[in-house]
Amino acid sequence: QSVLTQPPSASGTPGQRVTISCSGSSSNIGSNTVNWYQQLPGTAPKLLIYSNNQRPSGVPDRFSGSKSGTSASLAISGLQSEDEADYYCAAWDDSLKGVFGGGTKLTVL
Amino acid sequence: EVQLVESGGVVVQPGGSLRLSCAASGFTFDDYTMHWVRQAPGKGLEWVSLISWDGGSTYYADSVKGRFTISRDNSKNSLYLQMNSLRTEDTALYYCAKDVGLFPPELMDVWGQGTTVTVSS
Repeated sequence: QSVLTQPPSASGTPGQRVTISCSGSSSNIGSNTVNWYQQLPGTAPKLLIYSNNQRPSGVPDRFSGSKSGTSASLAISGLQSEDEADYYCAAWDDSLKGVFGGGTKLTVL
Repeated sequence: EVQLVESGGVVVQPGGSLRLSCAASGFTFDDYTMHWVRQAPGKGLEWVSLISWDGGSTYYADSVKGRFTISRDNSKNSLYLQMNSLRTEDTALYYCAKDVGLFPPELMDVWGQGTTVTVSS
């Protein structure tokens, strides 16, 4: 049972916009920033969004993040086949322990 | 190029011990907090432990506290995870990850490729 709650799966067709939610509590998302990681099959996680809504250099602007209260969301617009991956939200809790969501498997139909 | 290379993963019996290593290159190692994160087969990511830039502060997930010890040798640009009293549920791919700052932790921006630990009789 993960501390942060994500839907186990999401899907969309090429070109569509999909969103993935991440729900936490006042001790983690409610008081700290949220980061998102993309894990392509058979590879290590890659930082996708940091500080709720910032993109590292090289991440396409099709990816965006937001946070409100104790929840956060990742949005992917103009969905592409190469976006098929597992997506994880992450945050720190107030006791300086890392917490992850259970991951969302994105399928591009 | 920033690089993290984990090693030390093997098959070990329940109750056994193991030490994982992570060799860092391409950045000033002692400028950053470092982390271990694991992923059980077919499962999600689980944060395991972190150590501040100078080794003065360490934190652990409840699932490993009292059994695992994180350490670092800044002279060797290396991070370690001593794993004792291993359980079958510790079976996972263990990743080493770099933070973006000294301390407190902010986010993990670079990850290694992982080393596999299997706990089985």
